[in-house]
Amino acid sequence: SYELTQPPSVSVSPGQTASITCSGDKLEDKYACWYQQKAGQSPTMVIYQDTKRPSGIPERFSGSTSGNTATLTISGTQAMDEADYYCQAWDSSTVVFGGGTKLTVL
Amino acid sequence: QVQLQESGPGLVKPSETLSLTCNVSGGSIGGSNSYYYWNWIRQPPGRGLEWIGYIYYNGITEYNPSLKSRVTMSVDTSKNQFSLKLSSVTAADTAVYYCARLLADGTKRTFDIWGQGTIVTVSS
Repeated sequence: SYELTQPPSVSVSPGQTASITCSGDKLEDKYACWYQQKAGQSPTMVIYQDTKRPSGIPERFSGSTSGNTATLTISGTQAMDEADYYCQAWDSSTVVFGGGTKLTVL
Repeated sequence: QVQLQESGPGLVKPSETLSLTCNVSGGSIGGSNSYYYWNWIRQPPGRGLEWIGYIYYNGITEYNPSLKSRVTMSVDTSKNQFSLKLSSVTAADTAVYYCARLLADGTKRTFDIWGQGTIVTVSS
Protein backbone atom coordinates (compact mmCIF):
# COMPACT_ATOMS: atom_id res chain seq x y z
CA SER A 1 0.00 0.00 0.00
CA TYR A 2 1.06 3.58 -0.63
CA GLU A 3 2.75 5.42 2.22
CA LEU A 4 3.56 9.03 2.99
CA THR A 5 6.40 9.70 5.45
CA GLN A 6 6.72 12.83 7.55
CA PRO A 7 9.18 13.73 10.32
CA PRO A 8 7.48 13.36 13.72
CA SER A 9 8.51 16.81 14.86
CA VAL A 10 9.94 20.11 13.66
CA SER A 11 10.95 23.05 15.83
CA VAL A 12 11.26 26.66 14.75
CA SER A 13 11.86 30.01 16.39
CA PRO A 14 9.24 32.74 16.00
CA GLY A 15 9.79 34.73 12.82
CA GLN A 16 11.90 32.02 11.21
CA THR A 17 11.01 29.67 8.36
CA ALA A 18 9.67 26.19 9.06
CA SER A 19 9.81 23.43 6.48
CA ILE A 20 7.87 20.19 6.82
CA THR A 21 8.51 17.40 4.35
CA CYS A 22 6.35 14.56 3.10
CA SER A 23 7.88 11.71 1.13
CA GLY A 24 6.16 9.16 -1.06
CA ASP A 25 6.91 7.19 -4.18
CA LYS A 26 6.47 9.38 -7.26
CA LEU A 27 4.66 11.97 -5.15
CA GLU A 28 5.20 14.62 -7.81
CA ASP A 29 2.79 12.65 -10.02
CA LYS A 30 0.05 13.03 -7.45
CA TYR A 31 -1.36 16.19 -5.93
CA ALA A 32 -0.46 16.77 -2.29
CA CYS A 33 -2.60 18.59 0.23
CA TRP A 34 -1.64 19.83 3.65
CA TYR A 35 -3.84 20.08 6.73
CA GLN A 36 -3.25 21.92 9.97
CA GLN A 37 -4.70 20.53 13.18
CA LYS A 38 -4.49 22.59 16.33
CA ALA A 39 -4.92 20.93 19.70
CA GLY A 40 -8.49 19.80 20.27
CA GLN A 41 -9.69 20.99 16.86
CA SER A 42 -10.62 19.45 13.54
CA PRO A 43 -8.09 19.65 10.70
CA THR A 44 -8.12 22.62 8.34
CA MET A 45 -6.74 22.62 4.81
CA VAL A 46 -3.83 25.01 4.28
CA ILE A 47 -2.50 23.87 0.88
CA TYR A 48 -4.07 21.92 -1.99
CA GLN A 49 -2.85 20.77 -5.39
CA ASP A 50 0.75 20.97 -4.15
CA THR A 51 1.01 24.75 -4.14
CA LYS A 52 -2.42 26.41 -3.91
CA ARG A 53 -3.60 28.26 -0.86
CA PRO A 54 -7.32 28.41 -0.08
CA SER A 55 -8.90 31.74 0.74
CA GLY A 56 -8.35 32.78 4.31
CA ILE A 57 -5.01 31.02 4.69
CA PRO A 58 -2.15 33.47 5.31
CA GLU A 59 0.40 34.05 2.57
CA ARG A 60 3.18 32.77 4.84
CA PHE A 61 1.97 29.23 4.07
CA SER A 62 3.29 27.81 0.81
CA GLY A 63 3.76 24.39 -0.73
CA SER A 64 6.01 22.77 -3.29
CA THR A 65 6.65 19.30 -4.69
CA SER A 66 9.68 17.83 -6.40
CA GLY A 67 10.33 14.20 -7.15
CA ASN A 68 9.24 12.10 -4.22
CA THR A 69 8.94 14.97 -1.71
CA ALA A 70 6.31 17.58 -0.98
CA THR A 71 7.23 20.45 1.31
CA LEU A 72 5.10 22.77 3.39
CA THR A 73 6.89 26.01 4.15
CA ILE A 74 5.80 28.53 6.74
CA SER A 75 7.63 31.83 6.42
CA GLY A 76 7.80 34.17 9.39
CA THR A 77 6.34 31.49 11.65
CA GLN A 78 4.06 32.73 14.39
CA ALA A 79 3.14 31.19 17.71
CA MET A 80 -0.36 30.55 16.37
CA ASP A 81 1.12 28.19 13.76
CA GLU A 82 2.05 25.65 16.42
CA ALA A 83 0.03 22.58 15.44
CA ASP A 84 0.16 19.14 13.88
CA TYR A 85 0.47 19.12 10.10
CA TYR A 86 -0.60 16.26 7.84
CA CYS A 87 0.13 15.73 4.19
CA GLN A 88 -2.38 13.83 2.08
CA ALA A 89 -2.40 12.39 -1.41
CA TRP A 90 -4.40 10.00 -3.55
CA ASP A 91 -3.30 6.53 -4.49
CA SER A 92 -5.65 5.63 -7.32
CA SER A 93 -9.08 6.15 -5.76
CA THR A 94 -8.06 5.92 -2.11
CA VAL A 95 -6.88 8.58 0.31
CA VAL A 96 -3.56 8.37 2.12
CA PHE A 97 -2.44 10.60 4.99
CA GLY A 98 1.08 11.05 6.25
CA GLY A 99 1.76 10.27 9.89
CA GLY A 100 1.78 13.93 10.86
CA THR A 101 4.41 16.40 12.03
CA LYS A 102 4.20 18.31 15.27
CA LEU A 103 5.41 21.86 14.71
CA THR A 104 6.73 23.53 17.84
CA VAL A 105 7.33 27.27 17.86
CA LEU A 106 9.80 28.13 20.57
CA GLN B 1 -22.32 27.84 5.02
CA VAL B 2 -22.26 24.06 4.95
CA GLN B 3 -21.76 22.40 8.32
CA LEU B 4 -21.28 18.77 9.29
CA GLN B 5 -22.26 17.23 12.61
CA GLU B 6 -21.48 13.70 13.73
CA SER B 7 -23.76 11.79 16.08
CA GLY B 8 -23.88 8.35 17.61
CA PRO B 9 -23.00 6.30 20.69
CA GLY B 10 -19.79 7.26 22.46
CA LEU B 11 -19.28 3.77 23.85
CA VAL B 12 -19.40 0.51 21.93
CA LYS B 13 -18.69 -2.98 23.24
CA PRO B 14 -16.00 -5.16 21.66
CA SER B 15 -17.23 -7.34 18.78
CA GLU B 16 -20.28 -5.12 18.26
CA THR B 17 -21.00 -2.67 15.44
CA LEU B 18 -20.13 1.02 15.65
CA SER B 19 -22.77 3.23 14.01
CA LEU B 20 -22.41 6.94 13.33
CA THR B 21 -24.38 9.50 11.34
CA CYS B 22 -23.25 12.78 9.85
CA ASN B 23 -25.89 15.44 9.35
CA VAL B 24 -25.24 17.95 6.59
CA SER B 25 -26.74 21.41 7.05
CA GLY B 26 -26.56 24.59 4.99
CA GLY B 27 -26.40 22.76 1.68
CA SER B 28 -27.58 19.70 -0.20
CA ILE B 29 -25.72 16.41 0.06
CA GLY B 30 -25.70 16.22 -3.70
CA GLY B 31 -27.27 16.00 -7.09
CA SER B 32 -26.36 14.85 -10.57
CA ASN B 33 -23.74 17.59 -10.98
CA SER B 34 -22.34 17.38 -7.49
CA TYR B 35 -18.62 17.68 -6.96
CA TYR B 36 -18.84 16.46 -3.40
CA TYR B 37 -18.02 13.14 -1.80
CA TRP B 38 -18.84 12.43 1.80
CA ASN B 39 -16.14 10.89 3.97
CA TRP B 40 -15.38 9.33 7.30
CA ILE B 41 -11.93 9.84 8.80
CA ARG B 42 -10.75 8.75 12.22
CA GLN B 43 -7.97 9.62 14.62
CA PRO B 44 -6.96 7.29 17.48
CA PRO B 45 -5.90 9.06 20.67
CA GLY B 46 -2.54 10.77 20.21
CA ARG B 47 -2.14 9.44 16.68
CA GLY B 48 -2.60 10.50 13.09
CA LEU B 49 -5.49 10.64 10.66
CA GLU B 50 -6.83 7.52 8.97
CA TRP B 51 -9.22 7.69 6.05
CA ILE B 52 -12.10 5.21 6.34
CA GLY B 53 -13.91 5.82 3.08
CA TYR B 54 -16.35 7.95 1.14
CA ILE B 55 -19.83 7.77 -0.32
CA TYR B 56 -21.27 9.74 -3.22
CA TYR B 57 -24.85 11.01 -3.15
CA ASN B 58 -25.96 8.14 -5.43
CA GLY B 59 -24.52 5.48 -3.11
CA ILE B 60 -21.21 4.80 -4.83
CA THR B 61 -18.58 3.99 -2.21
CA GLU B 62 -14.85 3.62 -1.86
CA TYR B 63 -13.29 2.21 1.29
CA ASN B 64 -9.83 2.02 2.82
CA PRO B 65 -8.58 -1.46 1.84
CA SER B 66 -7.42 -2.09 5.40
CA LEU B 67 -10.97 -1.62 6.75
CA LYS B 68 -13.03 -2.65 3.75
CA SER B 69 -14.20 -5.97 5.17
CA ARG B 70 -15.79 -4.27 8.19
CA VAL B 71 -17.09 -0.97 6.76
CA THR B 72 -20.48 -0.09 5.33
CA MET B 73 -21.50 3.44 4.38
CA SER B 74 -24.93 4.64 3.37
CA VAL B 75 -26.55 7.90 2.37
CA ASP B 76 -30.04 9.29 2.90
CA THR B 77 -30.54 12.27 0.62
CA SER B 78 -34.04 12.92 1.96
CA LYS B 79 -32.57 13.52 5.41
CA ASN B 80 -29.38 15.09 4.05
CA GLN B 81 -27.20 12.73 6.02
CA PHE B 82 -24.80 9.86 5.59
CA SER B 83 -23.78 7.06 7.89
CA LEU B 84 -20.98 4.72 8.88
CA LYS B 85 -21.13 1.21 10.23
CA LEU B 86 -17.97 -0.54 11.41
CA SER B 87 -18.43 -4.12 12.49
CA SER B 88 -16.55 -6.39 14.89
CA VAL B 89 -14.90 -3.50 16.69
CA THR B 90 -11.95 -3.86 19.04
CA ALA B 91 -10.10 -1.44 21.28
CA ALA B 92 -8.01 -0.47 18.25
CA ASP B 93 -11.12 1.20 16.82
CA THR B 94 -11.25 3.69 19.68
CA ALA B 95 -10.83 7.09 18.05
CA VAL B 96 -12.27 10.47 17.25
CA TYR B 97 -14.42 9.95 14.17
CA TYR B 98 -14.77 12.86 11.76
CA CYS B 99 -17.08 13.27 8.85
CA ALA B 100 -15.67 15.47 6.10
CA ARG B 101 -16.68 16.79 2.71
CA LEU B 102 -14.39 16.10 -0.20
CA LEU B 103 -14.48 18.56 -3.06
CA ALA B 104 -13.52 16.78 -6.28
CA ASP B 105 -13.36 19.15 -9.23
CA GLY B 106 -11.00 17.83 -11.87
CA THR B 107 -7.55 17.63 -10.36
CA LYS B 108 -8.66 19.56 -7.31
CA ARG B 109 -9.52 17.03 -4.65
CA THR B 110 -9.47 18.25 -1.09
CA PHE B 111 -11.26 17.93 2.22
CA ASP B 112 -12.70 21.40 2.54
CA ILE B 113 -15.18 21.00 5.39
CA TRP B 114 -14.88 18.86 8.52
CA GLY B 115 -17.23 18.06 11.36
CA GLN B 116 -16.14 18.68 14.92
CA GLY B 117 -15.54 14.99 15.51
CA THR B 118 -17.09 12.53 17.92
CA ILE B 119 -15.20 10.31 20.34
CA VAL B 120 -15.99 6.61 20.20
CA THR B 121 -14.57 4.32 22.83
CA VAL B 122 -14.61 0.55 22.45
CA SER B 123 -14.79 -1.05 25.86
CA SER B 124 -16.82 -3.60 27.76
